[in-house]
Amino acid sequence: ILNVEQSPQSLHVQEGDSTNFTCSFPSSNFYALHWYRWETAKSPEALFVMTLNGDEKKKGRISATLNTKEGYSYLYIKGSQPEDSATYLCAPLTGGSYIPTFGRGTSLIVHP
Amino acid sequence: DVKVTQSSRYLVKRTGEKVFLECVQDMDHENMFWYRQDPGLGLRLIYFSYDVKMKEKGDIPEGYSVSREKKERFSLILESASTNQTSMYLCASRRDRFTEAFFGQGTRLTVV
Repeated sequence: ILNVEQSPQSLHVQEGDSTNFTCSFPSSNFYALHWYRWETAKSPEALFVMTLNGDEKKKGRISATLNTKEGYSYLYIKGSQPEDSATYLCAPLTGGSYIPTFGRGTSLIVHP
Repeated sequence: DVKVTQSSRYLVKRTGEKVFLECVQDMDHENMFWYRQDPGLGLRLIYFSYDVKMKEKGDIPEGYSVSREKKERFSLILESASTNQTSMYLCASRRDRFTEAFFGQGTRLTVV
């Protein structure tokens, strides 16, 4: 079982704050990394699919970077809004496997 | 839009019952997954199917089996339900190994 670490486990911020989370994973035989957002009472939805070292992806106020050599990815949210409240999951496909292994997630709560 | 539909949102079963959780996707996806989600543990893979009648065990297959007779349908079977199988079960599908997963709405199963 791959060791995928996400930090912090949870985060409370005020509306307008910018924040970032970390996902670390084994870098050997890396294939891709996915980020998902999981809102309460909904299904997880994909935010980004990242494959190349140095990749940067952006969707609105949310962006992500990838370092495959050292095995980590950052997710940034600029100017957090209450609707950003969700659990953010990373899922690397690594260690020679094409099956995503999920981290435990970072729970973000944005207070108005 | 891709739709992944799980047959029940909530389910209560008795210990020892045989339980079927059904999942259907409407986008002709090759791969399908069953995960369970427990507090503090994240999403853990139970079984994976990469094609019709093809399956692979995930990280926690004990006490479960699966069936994929048609491409669009992936069933999770609890042969004899036990209280430690009380959990949230999530089905997902993806077109192929290069793409992100799409999730169903989840089935919250309680075994009493």
